[in-house]
Amino acid sequence: DVKVTQSSRYLVKRTGEKVFLECVQDMDHENMFWYRQDPGLGLRLIYFSYDVKMKEKGDIPEGYSVSREKKERFSLILESASTNQTSMYLCASSLWGEAEDEKLFFGSGTQLSVL
Amino acid sequence: LAKTTQPISMDSYEGQEVNITCSHNNIATNDYITWYQQFPSQGPRFIIQGYKTKVTNEVASLFIPADRKSSTLSLPRVSLSDTAVYYCLVGDIGSGNTPLVFGKGTRLSVIA
Repeated sequence: DVKVTQSSRYLVKRTGEKVFLECVQDMDHENMFWYRQDPGLGLRLIYFSYDVKMKEKGDIPEGYSVSREKKERFSLILESASTNQTSMYLCASSLWGEAEDEKLFFGSGTQLSVL
Repeated sequence: LAKTTQPISMDSYEGQEVNITCSHNNIATNDYITWYQQFPSQGPRFIIQGYKTKVTNEVASLFIPADRKSSTLSLPRVSLSDTAVYYCLVGDIGSGNTPLVFGKGTRLSVIA
């Protein structure tokens, strides 16, 4: 089974801190994604990457950056955390190929609280 | 990207068949329809995907009419463990450059 591992299940940070959320997948997937999920808003795409060192903005990239130095690892960075970034962050990965291959596999999420 | 509309919530009793319909009037020729399920405190997981007509797997069935402007996820004989949020997504899978967009989903509550 595909495993997508997020480094922390819960995280508490202070306003202004630099925050790193790490995600690792073990199935050699090309595509990796970062979403945030807030009550009543569903999942919103922050950034995604189709290859090492490549990144694309999603719907809500403001206040975030990403890094993909290795194929299996995709990091989300909050340069200066703010209270409105308190949320559940979900990482996902998928193959790049035929339609039936491009299923998203999600990690368990990181609940980030910014105080 | 095609926008999807689905009910915010649904209730069902155990043992019943549940049908969740999703509207996607602006679906494009190359778009596939995919459904995900999300339990509390977990990431979504893939349930089923289709392009046209009917698709069935061990978990659910997906019915897609000829005009493809809607689709219906059918869960046979639901149990309490099927209580979850169900997302309908439409997108050009396989293009490699257009990620799927999640809507707000349908919250299904199964009652004993």
